[in-house]
Amino acid sequence: TQLLEQSPQFLSIQEGENLTVYCNSSSVFSSLQWYRQEPGEGPVLLVTVVTGGEVKKLKRLTFQFGDARKDSSLHITAAQPGDTGLYLCAAAVSADGLTFGKGTHLIIQP
Amino acid sequence: GAVVSQHPSWVICKSGTSVKIECRSLDFQATTMFWYRQFPKQSLMLMATSNEGSKATYEQGVEKDKFLINHASLTLSTLTVTSAHPEDSSFYICSALRTGGNGYTFGSGTRLTVV
Repeated sequence: TQLLEQSPQFLSIQEGENLTVYCNSSSVFSSLQWYRQEPGEGPVLLVTVVTGGEVKKLKRLTFQFGDARKDSSLHITAAQPGDTGLYLCAAAVSADGLTFGKGTHLIIQP
Repeated sequence: GAVVSQHPSWVICKSGTSVKIECRSLDFQATTMFWYRQFPKQSLMLMATSNEGSKATYEQGVEKDKFLINHASLTLSTLTVTSAHPEDSSFYICSALRTGGNGYTFGSGTRLTVV
């Protein structure tokens, strides 16, 4: 059973379009993180959300943490080819390392 | 900012040989480091938690005798893949947890190809 369910798994859209990626769970988390990974590189932290209902913005990226702290979303406005990559949500469920969702492979076509 | 250096970035080895991967925290101390494995088109899967000065904790299904982890200092953890086989070919990524802080910093990964 996957602790963090990410959707969609693959998404290919045209430059300028908007998109939303979802990260859902039946568990409650104290915090949740979003990462972006490019091929051949390690993941890079985009944001950490902590408070239920929290909304954080990073330029054209908007992150939201659900009120119940079980889910999160990433919305990209006016997507650009440079946004192409693997987007991962992750949570620390114990003192051990992070548990990742399966990721969303995003391709923005010029 | 926190920087984690991983070396080598890629390695090709013959089946049956061993390969060591290093993970260093360059500007902070890390009592805890983590090793992940990522197969093509898949997400990161935690392999083990490496604690400075003590034995590593392995996730279920990960063979501790095959994936040897040493965390001898607060800035260095190593993963040795012993008697490597082609099915061990993968992208191995480490991350470090800053001592006294929160937040994980990831290395740039090591692409292992076993031929």
